Amino acid sequence: EVQLVESGGGLVQPGGSLRLSCAASGFTFDTYWMSWVRQAPGKGLEWVANIKQDGSEKYYVDSVKGRFTFSRDNAKNSLYLQMNSLRAEDTAVYYCARAPSGFDYFDYWGQGTLVTVSS
Amino acid sequence: DIQMTQSPSSLSASVGDRVTITCRASQTISTYLNWYQQKPGKAPQLLIYATSSLQSGVPSRFSGSGSGTDFTLTISSLQPEDFATFYCQQSYSTPLTFGGGTKVEIK
Repeated sequence: EVQLVESGGGLVQPGGSLRLSCAASGFTFDTYWMSWVRQAPGKGLEWVANIKQDGSEKYYVDSVKGRFTFSRDNAKNSLYLQMNSLRAEDTAVYYCARAPSGFDYFDYWGQGTLVTVSS
Repeated sequence: DIQMTQSPSSLSASVGDRVTITCRASQTISTYLNWYQQKPGKAPQLLIYATSSLQSGVPSRFSGSGSGTDFTLTISSLQPEDFATFYCQQSYSTPLTFGGGTKVEIK
């Protein structure tokens, strides 16, 4: 059974940093592109970033470029999202998701972790 | 960026009703259109990919159609477990973008 479990969310002040993690199991992790998608409270979904199977290619939505860094550790079946210079508009539930075809659909999602940026 | 517009933003329907949700892209996206269902407090779940391909395990009452800029998600006979918010998503170009959602409520 495919499982994605996010952790690391919490309350952080504007300008602060946070590191999210996602633990994957139930599939051959290093053969899949992976993604982060976020959802602000009461709002719709926003794609944040993608990472290639070996971590050699990463893509970001413009609003997080230069502030967020997506990485993966295939030996640990884990993803990481380092978020720096956080803004109020980054407040959201962050989901990790599997992207079987890279830039296409997301077939499995984690339960999400809430990031709140507020003073 | 490609803008995705869903209509209606919400609808009320009864169990057994046929429900149609529309998604329009701001430019042609061929058939690179996917649909998700999200229940309150839960993660989205993939329903349909590539416009009309049903994800494994999704009931056959869900179907999708369209091409170019106009797409539809149809639920042939609404069931109690279908009350949720539905999102379309284009995968034609980055950034990948979602529609604003359609909330299906009980009449």
